[in-house]
Amino acid sequence: NAGVTQTPKFQVLKTGQSMTLQCAQDMNHNSMYWYRQDPGMGLRLIYYSASEGTTDKGEVPNGYNVSRLNKREFSLRLESAAPSQTSVYFCASTLGTPYGYTFGSGTRLTVV
Amino acid sequence: AQSVAQPEDQVNVAEGNPLTVKCTYSVSGNPYLFWYVQYPNRGLQFLLKYITGDNLVKGSYGFEAEFNKSQTSFHLKKPSALVSDSALYFCAVRDGGATNKLIFGTGTLLAVQP
Repeated sequence: NAGVTQTPKFQVLKTGQSMTLQCAQDMNHNSMYWYRQDPGMGLRLIYYSASEGTTDKGEVPNGYNVSRLNKREFSLRLESAAPSQTSVYFCASTLGTPYGYTFGSGTRLTVV
Repeated sequence: AQSVAQPEDQVNVAEGNPLTVKCTYSVSGNPYLFWYVQYPNRGLQFLLKYITGDNLVKGSYGFEAEFNKSQTSFHLKKPSALVSDSALYFCAVRDGGATNKLIFGTGTLLAVQP
């Protein structure tokens, strides 16, 4: 089925470990986004890529890096995981205005 | 900066009764507004959007939303709630410029009792 695919679905890391969250979309969307969801705080934007070849910081970028590998793929990297990064991470994409987002099913990350 | 507010953390309603989930917005210029729903352990799903035109917008699963410019509100409504409507609902507004960023509210948990 067409959509946004995120891997992995679940991950447990030890403090200081690194990992990359993968996101791929097959809808030929231009823009891609990484959000984190925490209880009572809604979704907060970490990084985004408005178009292939560009990336920009969102609201909460500290501790993260991203790569827009090509038009389909947008990865999020945690270089040195911290307990504060325990969260559910969502990738989303859009063709652009006036369309909404299509979301992936999320990655539940726990840092111990 | 654009923003949305969802003043209620939780809304409780009995099955068969009408429901309203509130959202107010603050934007410069014309607002592009969205509602999304999140079922447990799932990603967010698009419900409906307001871009321009008719103030009453109809969406998926029998939901609708009323855009009110004078009150800067975009409340989500349904005439008759179902237990299966129980979920987390997010209001969002598109940020300005070419980034297509969406700014989300904090979410409202809808609980429909049988």
